Amino acid sequence: QQKVQQSPESLIVPEGGMASLNCTSSDRNVDYFWWYRQHSGKSPKMLMSIFSNGEKEEGRFTVHLNKASLHTSLHIRDSQPSDSALYLCAASPSNYNVLYFGSGTKLTVEP
Amino acid sequence: EAAVTQSPRNKVAVTGGKVTLSCNQTNNHNNMYWYRQDTGHGLRLIHYSYGAGSTEKGDIPDGYKASRPSQENFSLILELATPSQTSVYFCASGTGQLYFGEGSKLTVL
Repeated sequence: QQKVQQSPESLIVPEGGMASLNCTSSDRNVDYFWWYRQHSGKSPKMLMSIFSNGEKEEGRFTVHLNKASLHTSLHIRDSQPSDSALYLCAASPSNYNVLYFGSGTKLTVEP
Repeated sequence: EAAVTQSPRNKVAVTGGKVTLSCNQTNNHNNMYWYRQDTGHGLRLIHYSYGAGSTEKGDIPDGYKASRPSQENFSLILELATPSQTSVYFCASGTGQLYFGEGSKLTVL
């Protein structure tokens, strides 16, 4: 069983809309979460990280973390076609340990 | 920008053959990783290393060996390749923020 579960598997939003992606860890040892983005045919690249309870915003992207429930979410406002990609959530027991990835959410932003 | 280079980028192998995937990083990172990516499974960890001479098993190590002869190089070895090992393999280096290579597409016939 994967340590990190993501939902939904796929998501279609209109251009300018809000996309919301979810991620939960089943491993109570994890303490750190990352979001990676992978465009089709490319390698994953880190988008955002969050280590403390609460919210973190960078431009159109906002991540939330609830450590008690080991749940993180990524929200993309004013979605653009260039945001269409596979979004991977990763978790780790520490900032220096291995990362375990979920199966990803495929986001499609339709013009 | 951190640099991770994989070779070969594409490989076709026969069942039972030996395959070596190579990875080189110029970031001076201690940690390096091999993941495979299949549709519906995201990235699954095969082997990782904390430094030269060290290799550790990840979640799906069966059928794979790893070698870390130096800080810069980390190889993934399939001694007896099987069709179930057909996949895209990614090497990465770093801690927390990982830097990935461009991937190696392996097809085992």
